[in-house]
Amino acid sequence: EAQVTQNPRYLITVTGKKLTVTCSQNMNHEYMSWYRQDPGLGLRQIYYSMNVEVTDKGDVPEGYKVSRKEKRNFPLILESPSPNQTSLYFCASSWDRGTYEQYFGPGTRLTVT
Amino acid sequence: GQNIDQPTEMTATEGAIVQINCTYQTSGFNGLFWYQQHAGEAPTFLSYNVLDGLEEKGRFSSFLSRSKGYSYLLLKELQMKDSASYLCAVSAPGNTPLVFGKGTRLSVIA
Repeated sequence: EAQVTQNPRYLITVTGKKLTVTCSQNMNHEYMSWYRQDPGLGLRQIYYSMNVEVTDKGDVPEGYKVSRKEKRNFPLILESPSPNQTSLYFCASSWDRGTYEQYFGPGTRLTVT
Repeated sequence: GQNIDQPTEMTATEGAIVQINCTYQTSGFNGLFWYQQHAGEAPTFLSYNVLDGLEEKGRFSSFLSRSKGYSYLLLKELQMKDSASYLCAVSAPGNTPLVFGKGTRLSVIA
């Protein structure tokens, strides 16, 4: 089954404690991205990757890091989480940046206290 | 820059037709996506318009006017399960990220 998986689905953590949210896709897609979704603000792109070892900033990259060492995986790293990073996070993959539909993972609800 | 506007909320009756509008101002344009998102779930793809005109897909249709920077999603024969948020997203050339509108929350009532 074609899918994007994310882990964990729910996470409560404390300020400053480094965390990683994993994302994996099994569709051999070249393009992957991370979004955060907040009430009243909609989906905003954090980082995206056009291919292995190629990543670039989206609209709201501050406080986040990503890596793309393999085509299928695109982890999101929060080196020092802060309460303003409390949000719902989605990973997505697609054949390219903007002419094919994106497949979204189930989401990770992160709370930073 | 990129700016996308959609109504925040709409309510419609089961069995009726509803039109959700999306207007955009972008520096360049490739195409426009519509996604459906049920509460607490991931967005799922509905349609992608590149050329002007109406594209029909079952109960859902999507319209695009590039010259007016305008699109709408038309939902016919509304069902309770259509209660969801509908997201409009614009794709532009170059390295511009895909930009999503804030979404329209549709409530279908009996």
